[in-house]
Amino acid sequence: GAVVSQHPSRVICKSGTSVKIECRSLDFQATTMFWYRQFPKQSLMLMATSNEGSKATYEQGVEKDKFLINHASLTLSTLTVTSAHPEDSSFYICSALRDLNTEAFFGQGTRLTVV
Amino acid sequence: RKEVEQDPGPFNVPEGATVAFNCTYSNSASQSFFWYRQDCRKEPKLLMSVYSSGNEDGRFTAQLNRASQYISLLIRDSKLSDSATYLCVVNGVDSSYKLIFGSGTRLLVRP
Repeated sequence: GAVVSQHPSRVICKSGTSVKIECRSLDFQATTMFWYRQFPKQSLMLMATSNEGSKATYEQGVEKDKFLINHASLTLSTLTVTSAHPEDSSFYICSALRDLNTEAFFGQGTRLTVV
Repeated sequence: RKEVEQDPGPFNVPEGATVAFNCTYSNSASQSFFWYRQDCRKEPKLLMSVYSSGNEDGRFTAQLNRASQYISLLIRDSKLSDSATYLCVVNGVDSSYKLIFGSGTRLLVRP
């Protein structure tokens, strides 16, 4: 299957700082990338959908000024958690689509802890 | 109503058992359906896509019922290694294409 690389896999940051998470599709061009958040023992919640060269589409309740998404190329999307707070501590996962109506390939996830 | 609904379980079954999961979706216009597997603290991995005609991959069989808007996953001859959370995924239909995950069904296979 296709490979999606997410970095970093784990990060601890201080409250009030910003954290950038990268998601790269290594062997294909991703028309669409998704960002999810997963709290312990809960399902993946879609935060936003991003298409290369256009603004991300955020799900209801997700603050676009707090979770900045940049889809600079067909192989790279970044999520920046700005002014992080302890309640932002979660597992953030990206996924990428090669084409619509096909399966999504997931990055390994980033475990963010804000202290 | 949630866009994608699953029974959270857990389903606790002995090795060798057959177990079935159902998932219902709310939007009749959805076209893409998948089952993913997620192990604890790991990313989801595709188990199988679900086609209109149904499909089988070894011990796993997936079915789609468009009229009733549900998909199912059948696991035969359960193995200990099948213990995981099984996620039903359906494409959302609005201004942009997106994949919506169900809350997952937890399976525990015991010796």
